[in-house]
This record gives sequence, C-alpha cells and structure tokens, in this order.
Amino acid sequence: GQNIDQPTEMTATEGAIVQINCTYQTSGFNGLFWYQQHAGEAPTFLSYNVLDGLEEKGRFSSFLSRSKGYSYLLLKELQMKDSASYLCAVVDSNYQLIWGAGTKLIIKP
Amino acid sequence: IAGITQAPTSQILAAGRRMTLRCTQDMRHNAMYWYRQDLGLGLRLIHYSNTAGTTGKGEVPDGYSVSRANTDDFPLTLASAVPSQTSVYFCASSDEGGSNEQFFGPGTRLTVL
Repeated sequence: GQNIDQPTEMTATEGAIVQINCTYQTSGFNGLFWYQQHAGEAPTFLSYNVLDGLEEKGRFSSFLSRSKGYSYLLLKELQMKDSASYLCAVVDSNYQLIWGAGTKLIIKP
Repeated sequence: IAGITQAPTSQILAAGRRMTLRCTQDMRHNAMYWYRQDLGLGLRLIHYSNTAGTTGKGEVPDGYSVSRANTDDFPLTLASAVPSQTSVYFCASSDEGGSNEQFFGPGTRLTVL
C-alpha cells in the first residue's frame, strides 16, 4: 500500500526554527509537494521537490532524499501566522497525489 | 471570478437526498479534482478529470459521480447521501495533471443527518 507519515502535531516558539518531517512509501515517485492549510481554509502551495536536495524560498525551505523516502519542511523565524497544518503529498506512478494527514503546527509567543 | 469557487459553502442534508456540489474555475486549467478531508486523515481523491469530456475514479469514488461538460465546471453529485459522507469537500484544479501545483477552492462543509 501507499503511505505518507508525518507527525500529528508540533509546538514551537515564535522566532525559532522548526523542522517538519515526512516519510513516504509509494508506488513510484514523481515529486513531492508541501502545502499549508490554515484552520477552516483551503490548502495553499508552499513547495515542490523532484530532485534530491534543498530548495529555499524565503523563510521556508524543503528538502528531499529520494533514496530514503524522506522530506522535511524547515520554517525559520517563526511568526504567529505560521500556526497552521502542513500537508506533505507525493505524486505516485499514476501521477496522482497521495496526501499525508498533515502536521498541526502550534506557535507559542 | 478569480481562481476557483465552490458552492454552497456549507449544507446540512437529510440522508437519502440527492446533492450536487458545484465547482467553477476561471484559470483555464485542464485538470480538476474533488477531494474529501476528514479529521485525522489526509485529503482523499474522489474523482478527477484530466481534460473536458473525461473523468476518472480516485481513491474513494463510491457514492459519488462527476461530469466535465466544459473546461470551467466540475460538479460533484451525491445520488443518495449517507452519514459517512459528512466531510469537507475541496475542489482543485491544475494546469495539467500530475506534478503541477493544484489550486484549491474554499471548500464545502457537508453534514448528512
């Protein structure tokens, strides 16, 4: 079967750094997405990785290791508005997105 | 319209009733999707359409049907609603299928009693 694992919930302090991990086992791999979803809202795109390595975009970075079936999202200089769920999704061999259950990130002052 | 819209925003429905959730996009995207999101579970694909005139089944298609008569609209129909279909439904679209960013509508919160 196909499986995406993320921690259910994480807590971090405003101004700090947090790393949200995602491990996957899927039938094929054609890329990995990270989305942000605020409570009661729609998911919005953060990043896409298809090659190994780190992609940096402002305060957010995403890393991929295809050999390990592993990705992480790194959030720096945390702000209260970063309190949200972060969804990891893998594009499988049929070019369908397989979604993790999401990690709820709580930011404390 | 800018982006992707869904209607209604929320709905309470009696079991056994028929319901159509509407989705419209103005981005001229070829691919469209319907997901349901339940607490503790990831987004699950119900049906998708790679281009107007074609549709396909996702992970959880039973009890749902879709049509794609044109590029912009992708309605989802529950023929006879059951309580297990209580969920938040998101419509999404992308320029092409597969490894392209998906843009999501605001969602429809459906409660079946």
